[in-house]
Amino acid sequence: DAKTTQPTSMDCAEGRAANLPCNHSTISGNEYVYWYRQIHSQGPQYIIHGLKNNETNEMASLIITEDRKSSTLILPHATLRDTAVYYCIVRVSYSGNTPLVFGKGTRLSVIA
Amino acid sequence: DAGVTQSPTHLIKTRGQQVTLRCSPKSGHDTVSWYQQALGQGPQFIFQYYEEEERQRGNFPDRFSGHQFPNYSSELNVNALLLGDSALYLCASSLVSADGYTFGSGTRLTVV
Repeated sequence: DAKTTQPTSMDCAEGRAANLPCNHSTISGNEYVYWYRQIHSQGPQYIIHGLKNNETNEMASLIITEDRKSSTLILPHATLRDTAVYYCIVRVSYSGNTPLVFGKGTRLSVIA
Repeated sequence: DAGVTQSPTHLIKTRGQQVTLRCSPKSGHDTVSWYQQALGQGPQFIFQYYEEEERQRGNFPDRFSGHQFPNYSSELNVNALLLGDSALYLCASSLVSADGYTFGSGTRLTVV
């Protein structure tokens, strides 16, 4: 079972920041927080991950609380192409053989 | 650089039949994982293949089986199809020694 809790859906105006929350209150010290997204009719796509420090890449920023029990994915300037289901995943190993455990994710709708 | 290729893209089968889905991993990847995604749900891990052997398995019956070939490509076989097997089947490839999954766009299986 997924170890994360996310809102079912969210709306965001185009051009504004989209802030997607995730609760992972039972996270262990060696578990990373990963974010993937799935655009309609495509496979999931990696966005970003982090352990305890905030992370930023060309797609998004990840803010992890100090107690690591929750995190927020930030899309700084949402576009219509960011409409997708966003999955927050807690994962123990930094390797290519640890399966991803998906929950139901958050359906983000970016509105013009 | 080709990503993950899955075939066919769509398939319709009758209850009780058998089906084979195919996956070619991203160039340089050596591990293939299969996921089932029912409508409105997140992907669920079926199993993972590395060095031509099943290494990990999710909570799926043995009607679901697979194979990995020397060129790292993989097949997913489902016997005695049920209506509930209707889903999007996703293949993800990775490198066992490094992080990062790349997903294909999936095969949409409909069982009637």
